[in-house]
Amino acid sequence: GENVEQHPSTLSVQEGDSAVIKCTYSDSASNYFPWYKQELGKRPQLIIDIRSNVGEKKDQRIAVTLNKTAKHFSLHITETQPEDSAVYFCAASFRGGGYNKLIFGAGTRLAVHP
Amino acid sequence: NAGVTQTPKFQVLKTGQSMTLQCAQDMNHNSMYWYRQDPGMGLRLIYYSASEGTTDKGEVPNGYNVSRLNKREFSLRLESAAPSQTSVYFCASTRQNTGELFFGEGSRLTVL
Repeated sequence: GENVEQHPSTLSVQEGDSAVIKCTYSDSASNYFPWYKQELGKRPQLIIDIRSNVGEKKDQRIAVTLNKTAKHFSLHITETQPEDSAVYFCAASFRGGGYNKLIFGAGTRLAVHP
Repeated sequence: NAGVTQTPKFQVLKTGQSMTLQCAQDMNHNSMYWYRQDPGMGLRLIYYSASEGTTDKGEVPNGYNVSRLNKREFSLRLESAAPSQTSVYFCASTRQNTGELFFGEGSRLTVL
């Protein structure tokens, strides 16, 4: 079936530490893997994405890695700041009815303590 | 540009009542989606429309219907609301079906 599993469900770090969130997906044909950040009471917003032809992508303090063989991808946040506190969702594309759709993981609530 | 606009933002229904959530985007996007968000369960896809004139079921379609009225608008209808449909509903759109999703502000629905 179409499934994205995300771990951990909650993560608490000290300011300046790194945070890592991991996701696995069920379909080896998935080819697009975005990460969304959702602040309390707000809509989810894209922070970084990666396609299956790339193993790693970085954008300042955020990086995503993809292991296609293991069907596994991760979000890395370095030098965390209090404003990084939010819920983070991973997602993977799945083919259905001739079109791709995004299926999300259950989310990780990140708390960064000053 | 307003982006993705959803109405209403809040709604309280009694069990068995019907209602329609409206969504419109002004970004000329082809694909539109309806997700529901429940605590601890992430964003679950209800229905999606890859292009004008097509709709497909997502992960949790039971109890819902959709209409892609035109390229801009994609509505979600609850024919007979149930307490299990209490949730926050997000509409989203994207230019291509593997690209950045732009979400609306969400609609909080409570079914008593």
